[in-house]
Amino acid sequence: EVVMTQSPATLSVSPGERVTLSCRASQSLGGSFAWYQQKPGQAPRLLIYGASTRATGIPDRFSGSGSGTEFTLTISSLQSEDFAVYYCQQYNNRPLTFGGGTKVEIK
Amino acid sequence: QVHLQESGPGLVKPSQTLSLTCTVSGASISSGAYYWSWIRQPAGKGLEWIASVYSAGSSGSAKYSPSLESRVSMSLDTSTNQFSLKLNSVTAADTAVFYCARGIPAGGYWFFDLWGRGTLVTVSS
Repeated sequence: EVVMTQSPATLSVSPGERVTLSCRASQSLGGSFAWYQQKPGQAPRLLIYGASTRATGIPDRFSGSGSGTEFTLTISSLQSEDFAVYYCQQYNNRPLTFGGGTKVEIK
Repeated sequence: QVHLQESGPGLVKPSQTLSLTCTVSGASISSGAYYWSWIRQPAGKGLEWIASVYSAGSSGSAKYSPSLESRVSMSLDTSTNQFSLKLNSVTAADTAVFYCARGIPAGGYWFFDLWGRGTLVTVSS
Protein backbone atom coordinates (compact mmCIF):
# COMPACT_ATOMS: atom_id res chain seq x y z
CA GLU A 1 0.00 0.00 0.00
CA VAL A 2 1.25 3.47 -0.89
CA VAL A 3 1.40 5.64 2.22
CA MET A 4 0.68 9.33 1.68
CA THR A 5 2.12 11.72 4.27
CA GLN A 6 0.92 15.31 4.37
CA SER A 7 2.66 18.16 6.10
CA PRO A 8 2.08 20.15 8.10
CA ALA A 9 -0.97 18.77 9.86
CA THR A 10 -2.20 22.29 10.56
CA LEU A 11 -1.29 25.60 8.99
CA SER A 12 -2.31 28.91 10.53
CA VAL A 13 -2.49 31.55 7.83
CA SER A 14 -3.79 35.08 7.35
CA PRO A 15 -6.03 35.94 4.38
CA GLY A 16 -4.00 37.10 1.41
CA GLU A 17 -0.97 35.02 2.30
CA ARG A 18 0.64 32.47 0.02
CA VAL A 19 0.23 28.90 1.22
CA THR A 20 2.20 25.79 0.36
CA LEU A 21 1.02 22.32 1.33
CA SER A 22 3.11 19.20 0.88
CA CYS A 23 2.39 15.54 0.28
CA ARG A 24 4.96 12.77 0.13
CA ALA A 25 4.33 9.27 -1.25
CA SER A 26 6.08 6.15 -0.01
CA GLN A 27 6.77 5.14 -3.60
CA SER A 28 6.92 6.85 -6.96
CA LEU A 29 3.56 7.82 -8.48
CA GLY A 30 4.58 9.41 -11.73
CA GLY A 31 1.87 12.04 -12.08
CA SER A 32 -1.04 9.97 -10.77
CA PHE A 33 -1.87 12.35 -7.98
CA ALA A 34 -4.81 14.52 -6.93
CA TRP A 35 -5.67 17.21 -4.37
CA TYR A 36 -9.06 17.71 -2.72
CA GLN A 37 -10.54 20.42 -0.51
CA GLN A 38 -13.04 19.58 2.23
CA LYS A 39 -15.00 22.08 4.27
CA PRO A 40 -16.80 21.13 7.50
CA GLY A 41 -19.90 19.07 6.86
CA GLN A 42 -19.25 18.88 3.12
CA ALA A 43 -17.96 16.29 0.69
CA PRO A 44 -14.45 16.67 -0.68
CA ARG A 45 -14.08 18.71 -3.85
CA LEU A 46 -11.55 17.86 -6.53
CA LEU A 47 -9.02 20.66 -6.99
CA ILE A 48 -6.12 19.18 -8.94
CA TYR A 49 -5.51 15.94 -10.85
CA GLY A 50 -2.54 14.69 -12.79
CA ALA A 51 -0.47 16.51 -10.17
CA SER A 52 -0.91 19.90 -11.86
CA THR A 53 -4.19 20.10 -13.82
CA ARG A 54 -6.90 22.20 -12.22
CA ALA A 55 -10.35 20.64 -12.16
CA THR A 56 -13.26 22.42 -13.81
CA GLY A 57 -14.19 25.64 -12.06
CA ILE A 58 -11.19 25.77 -9.74
CA PRO A 59 -9.71 29.28 -9.44
CA ASP A 60 -6.24 29.81 -10.80
CA ARG A 61 -4.91 30.79 -7.37
CA PHE A 62 -4.71 27.03 -6.81
CA SER A 63 -1.76 25.31 -8.45
CA GLY A 64 -0.23 21.88 -8.13
CA SER A 65 3.27 20.69 -8.85
CA GLY A 66 5.55 17.73 -8.32
CA SER A 67 6.09 14.22 -9.58
CA GLY A 68 7.48 10.96 -8.31
CA THR A 69 7.15 11.08 -4.54
CA GLU A 70 6.95 14.80 -3.71
CA PHE A 71 3.95 16.96 -4.48
CA THR A 72 2.91 20.50 -3.59
CA LEU A 73 -0.34 22.47 -3.58
CA THR A 74 0.08 26.22 -3.63
CA ILE A 75 -2.63 28.79 -2.97
CA SER A 76 -1.21 32.06 -4.21
CA SER A 77 -3.38 34.38 -2.10
CA LEU A 78 -5.56 32.73 0.50
CA GLN A 79 -9.21 33.76 0.42
CA SER A 80 -11.69 33.37 3.28
CA GLU A 81 -13.41 30.52 1.47
CA ASP A 82 -10.15 28.56 1.26
CA PHE A 83 -10.00 27.74 4.97
CA ALA A 84 -10.56 24.02 4.89
CA VAL A 85 -8.85 20.65 5.10
CA TYR A 86 -6.85 19.55 2.07
CA TYR A 87 -6.25 15.93 1.16
CA CYS A 88 -3.94 14.34 -1.35
CA GLN A 89 -4.67 11.07 -3.14
CA GLN A 90 -2.58 8.69 -5.22
CA TYR A 91 -4.04 6.69 -8.06
CA ASN A 92 -0.94 4.91 -9.27
CA ASN A 93 -1.53 1.73 -7.29
CA ARG A 94 -4.39 -0.16 -5.70
CA PRO A 95 -5.58 0.38 -3.02
CA LEU A 96 -6.16 4.02 -3.78
CA THR A 97 -4.94 5.95 -0.76
CA PHE A 98 -5.32 9.41 0.72
CA GLY A 99 -3.11 11.49 2.93
CA GLY A 100 -4.12 12.37 6.46
CA GLY A 101 -4.97 15.94 5.53
CA THR A 102 -3.68 19.44 6.20
CA LYS A 103 -6.01 21.84 7.96
CA VAL A 104 -5.63 25.44 6.85
CA GLU A 105 -6.97 27.65 9.61
CA ILE A 106 -7.26 31.36 10.23
CA LYS A 107 -4.30 32.86 12.04
CA GLN B 1 -25.73 18.26 -14.10
CA VAL B 2 -24.86 14.96 -12.49
CA HIS B 3 -25.73 14.43 -8.83
CA LEU B 4 -25.04 11.56 -6.47
CA GLN B 5 -27.13 10.87 -3.37
CA GLU B 6 -26.44 8.26 -0.72
CA SER B 7 -29.24 6.52 1.17
CA GLY B 8 -29.51 3.80 3.76
CA PRO B 9 -29.93 3.12 7.47
CA GLY B 10 -28.14 5.51 9.78
CA LEU B 11 -27.80 2.90 12.51
CA VAL B 12 -26.59 -0.68 12.16
CA LYS B 13 -26.07 -3.20 14.94
CA PRO B 14 -22.69 -4.85 15.45
CA SER B 15 -22.17 -8.05 13.43
CA GLN B 16 -24.91 -7.08 11.00
CA THR B 17 -24.65 -5.95 7.37
CA LEU B 18 -24.42 -2.32 6.38
CA SER B 19 -26.26 -1.63 3.11
CA LEU B 20 -26.10 1.65 1.24
CA THR B 21 -27.38 2.84 -2.12
CA CYS B 22 -26.19 5.69 -4.28
CA THR B 23 -28.70 7.17 -6.71
CA VAL B 24 -27.23 8.95 -9.71
CA SER B 25 -29.27 11.64 -11.44
CA GLY B 26 -28.51 13.65 -14.54
CA ALA B 27 -26.68 10.86 -16.34
CA SER B 28 -26.86 7.12 -16.89
CA ILE B 29 -24.38 5.08 -14.88
CA SER B 30 -23.99 2.78 -17.88
CA SER B 31 -22.88 5.55 -20.21
CA GLY B 32 -19.35 6.81 -20.36
CA ALA B 33 -16.39 5.18 -18.68
CA TYR B 34 -16.36 5.80 -14.97
CA TYR B 35 -15.51 4.04 -11.74
CA TRP B 36 -18.56 4.37 -9.51
CA SER B 37 -17.14 4.25 -6.02
CA TRP B 38 -17.56 4.23 -2.25
CA ILE B 39 -15.29 6.07 0.17
CA ARG B 40 -15.67 6.47 3.92
CA GLN B 41 -14.48 8.91 6.56
CA PRO B 42 -14.61 8.25 10.31
CA ALA B 43 -15.38 11.32 12.36
CA GLY B 44 -12.40 13.66 12.52
CA LYS B 45 -10.28 11.38 10.38
CA GLY B 46 -9.14 10.98 6.82
CA LEU B 47 -10.61 9.35 3.75
CA GLU B 48 -10.54 5.63 3.01
CA TRP B 49 -11.34 4.16 -0.40
CA ILE B 50 -13.63 1.12 -0.11
CA ALA B 51 -14.66 -0.10 -3.55
CA SER B 52 -15.28 0.80 -7.18
CA VAL B 53 -17.08 -0.68 -10.17
CA TYR B 54 -16.23 0.21 -13.76
CA SER B 55 -19.24 1.23 -15.83
CA ALA B 56 -17.88 0.42 -19.28
CA GLY B 57 -17.23 -3.00 -20.78
CA SER B 58 -19.03 -6.26 -20.16
CA SER B 59 -17.48 -7.46 -16.92
CA GLY B 60 -18.39 -4.67 -14.51
CA SER B 61 -16.21 -6.36 -11.93
CA ALA B 62 -15.72 -4.57 -8.66
CA LYS B 63 -12.38 -3.55 -7.23
CA TYR B 64 -12.06 -3.62 -3.46
CA SER B 65 -9.67 -2.31 -0.87
CA PRO B 66 -7.66 -5.32 0.37
CA SER B 67 -8.32 -4.32 3.98
CA LEU B 68 -12.08 -4.69 3.47
CA GLU B 69 -12.27 -7.20 0.62
CA SER B 70 -13.38 -10.10 2.81
CA ARG B 71 -16.42 -8.17 4.07
CA VAL B 72 -17.50 -5.93 1.21
CA SER B 73 -19.44 -6.23 -2.03
CA MET B 74 -20.55 -3.64 -4.52
CA SER B 75 -22.82 -3.72 -7.56
CA LEU B 76 -24.39 -1.54 -10.25
CA ASP B 77 -28.10 -1.57 -11.11
CA THR B 78 -28.50 0.09 -14.48
CA SER B 79 -32.31 -0.34 -14.39
CA THR B 80 -32.57 2.03 -11.42
CA ASN B 81 -29.43 4.04 -12.13
CA GLN B 82 -28.08 3.16 -8.72
CA PHE B 83 -25.09 1.41 -7.25
CA SER B 84 -24.88 -0.22 -3.87
CA LEU B 85 -22.50 -1.22 -1.11
CA LYS B 86 -22.76 -4.04 1.39
CA LEU B 87 -20.35 -4.34 4.31
CA ASN B 88 -20.94 -7.32 6.56
CA SER B 89 -19.90 -8.19 10.10
CA VAL B 90 -19.67 -4.54 11.05
CA THR B 91 -18.13 -3.26 14.26
CA ALA B 92 -17.92 0.15 15.90
CA ALA B 93 -14.77 0.74 13.85
CA ASP B 94 -16.95 0.89 10.74
CA THR B 95 -18.80 3.96 12.03
CA ALA B 96 -18.17 6.67 9.46
CA VAL B 97 -19.60 9.03 6.89
CA PHE B 98 -19.91 7.05 3.68
CA TYR B 99 -19.59 8.88 0.37
CA CYS B 100 -20.43 7.68 -3.10
CA ALA B 101 -18.34 9.19 -5.84
CA ARG B 102 -17.57 9.08 -9.56
CA GLY B 103 -14.08 8.00 -10.51
CA ILE B 104 -12.36 9.25 -13.62
CA PRO B 105 -10.03 6.68 -15.18
CA ALA B 106 -6.46 7.86 -15.55
CA GLY B 107 -3.52 5.60 -16.29
CA GLY B 108 -5.09 2.41 -14.99
CA TYR B 109 -6.60 3.79 -11.80
CA TRP B 110 -8.80 6.74 -10.98
CA PHE B 111 -9.45 9.95 -9.09
CA PHE B 112 -12.82 11.30 -7.97
CA ASP B 113 -14.46 14.29 -9.64
CA LEU B 114 -18.00 14.11 -8.22
CA TRP B 115 -19.09 13.20 -4.71
CA GLY B 116 -22.38 12.73 -2.92
CA ARG B 117 -23.03 14.69 0.26
CA GLY B 118 -22.32 11.64 2.38
CA THR B 119 -24.38 9.67 4.87
CA LEU B 120 -23.45 8.92 8.47
CA VAL B 121 -23.64 5.29 9.47
CA THR B 122 -23.26 4.48 13.15
CA VAL B 123 -22.60 0.94 14.32
CA SER B 124 -24.07 0.49 17.76
CA SER B 125 -26.35 -1.82 19.65
